[in-house]
Amino acid sequence: GENVGLHLPTLSVQEGDNSIINCAYSNSASDYFIWYKQESGKGPQFIIDIRSNMDKRQGQRVTVLLNKTVKHLSLQIAATQPGDSAVYFCAEGGGTSYGKLTFGQGTILTVHP
Amino acid sequence: SAVISQKPSRDICQRGTSLTIQCQVDSQVTMMFWYRQQPGQSLTLIATANQGSEATYESGFVIDKFPISRPNLTFSTLTVSNMSPEDSSIYLCSGIGTGDDNEQFFGPGTRLTVL
Repeated sequence: GENVGLHLPTLSVQEGDNSIINCAYSNSASDYFIWYKQESGKGPQFIIDIRSNMDKRQGQRVTVLLNKTVKHLSLQIAATQPGDSAVYFCAEGGGTSYGKLTFGQGTILTVHP
Repeated sequence: SAVISQKPSRDICQRGTSLTIQCQVDSQVTMMFWYRQQPGQSLTLIATANQGSEATYESGFVIDKFPISRPNLTFSTLTVSNMSPEDSSIYLCSGIGTGDDNEQFFGPGTRLTVL
């Protein structure tokens, strides 16, 4: 698909394992962070978000961790399933640029049955 | 969340021509944006589509090349003008809903190939 690029980081896991996808962001003024999932041929799908006044937020099977000191964001997926296979993007925004998102490079997650 | 549709879903165009992409949201959104995703890469913001006024462009993007309209709260168009092969990309429309969560959601994208 159009999202497969040799220069994107990749993560391969077995079905049932936990996955951790990492992202470094660049703007200290960003106060809103989002994880998106993009399957081949589709637009990005919202997974979970977190604001800068929090360091952890949990959703269904997913957890986002935010470390503002080192400007690092991670997405943890519990009990990864083949349907989780996709490209995952982190995005940062907020501050004086409400609504405008800056996307990270993306990570290709492949889940093997 | 709201649903965004885009037309066309894909097109193959000749160098020097222009293509207008339509974006329709099924409910009101506070803001609409246009992004570009080049093959195998991440998304880059082109501009904010402002209702009833000129769009706000990001660095590296200009109105003459990417004219944008937003005549109402739920519809926007992006035109890719005087196309060259370097314009081959996926063009994505997004919107921010009116709910408390302010989630930004995306359309399926328009895959453009310029020969």
